[in-house]
Amino acid sequence: KAGVTQTPRYLIKTRGQQVTLSCSPISGHRSVSWYQQTPGQGLQFLFEYFSETQRNKGNFPGRFSGRQFSNSRSEMNVSTLELGDSALYLCASSSRQGSGHEQFFGPGTRLTVL
Amino acid sequence: AQKVTQAQTEISVVEKEDVTLDCVYETRDTTYYLFWYKQPPSGELVFLIRRNSFDEQNEISGRYSWNFQKSTSSFNFTITASQVVDSAVYFCALSGRSGGSYIPTFGRGTSLIVHP
Repeated sequence: KAGVTQTPRYLIKTRGQQVTLSCSPISGHRSVSWYQQTPGQGLQFLFEYFSETQRNKGNFPGRFSGRQFSNSRSEMNVSTLELGDSALYLCASSSRQGSGHEQFFGPGTRLTVL
Repeated sequence: AQKVTQAQTEISVVEKEDVTLDCVYETRDTTYYLFWYKQPPSGELVFLIRRNSFDEQNEISGRYSWNFQKSTSSFNFTITASQVVDSAVYFCALSGRSGGSYIPTFGRGTSLIVHP
């Protein structure tokens, strides 16, 4: 079974721009969660999508949004980028809803905001 | 609010030594899940174990073992006879039911360096 894939792997943007990251879960998995990892704040939960609906949301501003498609692929969008948005963005998939279950992580997208 | 504390920022050992990574958590939930993940230099988190709050049995998987003690709110991870390939950052995580949904909280991670 193919693992979780994320594209692109690296991205460089400037302040004020917007960015869209993509995540393809393991085949058959309907839950996709997004995390932000920074040296300062560590690993933080952004949100979870299950069956095309956002089920859980972390404490992030509205500039961070996401969506999930009928094939379970998910995209995350960050608008009006700030320097502090520079981070590794990790996507995780699971066969069941909720982070109480085993999650499989992708390699991440490293976003640099200049 | 839930919290996970991994007090050890970095641990350095020589190959074949045993090492224990500490994890202390705080939650008001009675039902919650605890996890350990490994993050090698490649960046991809690898699931190691999941424990629910009602199962305090310790678990052993090869050289890995976990000690869950609700009385001290701890979920420690021991690697026996460490190997260079064990070098990675290890994260402890807690997923508690907050407002009807499970929101995960991660510790800051412990960087384990195993020297040959």
